[in-house]
Amino acid sequence: SQQGEEDPQALSIQEGENATMNCSYKTSINNLQWYRQNSGRGLVHLILIRSNEREKHSGRLRVTLDTSKKSSSLLITASRAADTASYFCATDATTSGTYKYIFGTGTRLKVLA
Amino acid sequence: IAGITQAPTSQILAAGRRMTLRCTQDMRHNAMYWYRQDLGLGLRLIHYSNTAGTTGKGEVPDGYSVSRANTDDFPLTLASAVPSQTSVYFCASRKGQSAGELFFGEGSRLTVL
Repeated sequence: SQQGEEDPQALSIQEGENATMNCSYKTSINNLQWYRQNSGRGLVHLILIRSNEREKHSGRLRVTLDTSKKSSSLLITASRAADTASYFCATDATTSGTYKYIFGTGTRLKVLA
Repeated sequence: IAGITQAPTSQILAAGRRMTLRCTQDMRHNAMYWYRQDLGLGLRLIHYSNTAGTTGKGEVPDGYSVSRANTDDFPLTLASAVPSQTSVYFCASRKGQSAGELFFGEGSRLTVL
């Protein structure tokens, strides 16, 4: 399986602190995406980073990608209680023009007010 | 804006019964996907369709079938449900043929007794 793995599985922080989540994957990829899932809801796309990019920002989100280590990190700065959710990385394991996104196991983030 | 609609939202089913989970999108996206989400395992790809008239197998296709008769609809069928198919099922879509974000439905919670 090309499934990615997030680390840590669960994270609990105080409001205002930064939250860092890591994702490791097994094979070469074209791009990597991060998604957020609130409890009982569908996933929502946060950010996409391509294999030739090393860092990307979007608001309070910062994503890095190290293809040599097959890993990515998601940093949420100045966290808020509303950031409480599960976060998933998804790797694009495209072959022969067929796009298949493989998801990791997720990090459950809890931000305490 | 509806996006992706899944039905039913929740269903309890006796083992051996046939069940079809419906997925409809109004965004005219080419690609559609079915994932199952189980605690501790993240999301796993069941089947996908890059465009109407084509389908493909994902990571865990056994026991499931799909069809893509048109752009908007991508039903997932369990021919003879088993308890191990108890899960939350998510349908997703992607706009074009190149890499991009996935749009998710709100999920269908299926319990097989």
